Amino acid sequence: DIQMTQSPSILSASIGDRITITCRASQSIDRSLAWYQQKPGMAPKLLIFKASILETGVPSRFSGSGSGTEFTLTIGSLQPDDFAIYYCQQYDRPCSFGQGTTLEIK
Amino acid sequence: QRQLVQSGPEVKRPGTSVKVSCRGSGFIFKGSAVQWARQARGQPLEWLGWIVFNTGDTNYPQSLQQRVTITRDMSTSTVYIELSSLTSDDTAIYYCATIPGHYWGQGTLVAVSS
Repeated sequence: DIQMTQSPSILSASIGDRITITCRASQSIDRSLAWYQQKPGMAPKLLIFKASILETGVPSRFSGSGSGTEFTLTIGSLQPDDFAIYYCQQYDRPCSFGQGTTLEIK
Repeated sequence: QRQLVQSGPEVKRPGTSVKVSCRGSGFIFKGSAVQWARQARGQPLEWLGWIVFNTGDTNYPQSLQQRVTITRDMSTSTVYIELSSLTSDDTAIYYCATIPGHYWGQGTLVAVSS
């Protein structure tokens, strides 16, 4: 099974900051990668799929990049609603999630 | 309205099995795959498997392959996950979702307790 490693595990940032979360795959997954945001008590919400395609309705401050084994999620200017847990998921062979990144207010 | 609706909470004894359902609007599943994931309290998401709705082909993680079965009923647009030989470590919220996860179910709490 493909292992997904996210970094950092915890990220402290302020409103207006630009932040980046990294996800590395143990084998190449081409661009079969999704990013999710999860808030307490809620199901995950899709932000990005196919590594860089923004899901409908997701603010443009979110962006994704990468291919093969290394991927990034960038939030261009943090808003109060963005503090949550973020997960990557590969859906190439077959599926697996990263361990999550908690984005907290500094 | 496009949505996935899961069955209600379950309380099970150790050693027994649980079966959770996920019903979708028909066009969500047509030609696509449906995955299951779970999340124990304070823990990350864990992928449990997928089923290709049209063919019934399945794939499971090696860690759970002996205990998990995913099936579907095409006539009711419903996908099921069954987990056997339950232990307290299986206590979690279980989610169904499309692949990738454009749509998610509301989650089903499965509690395993003696």
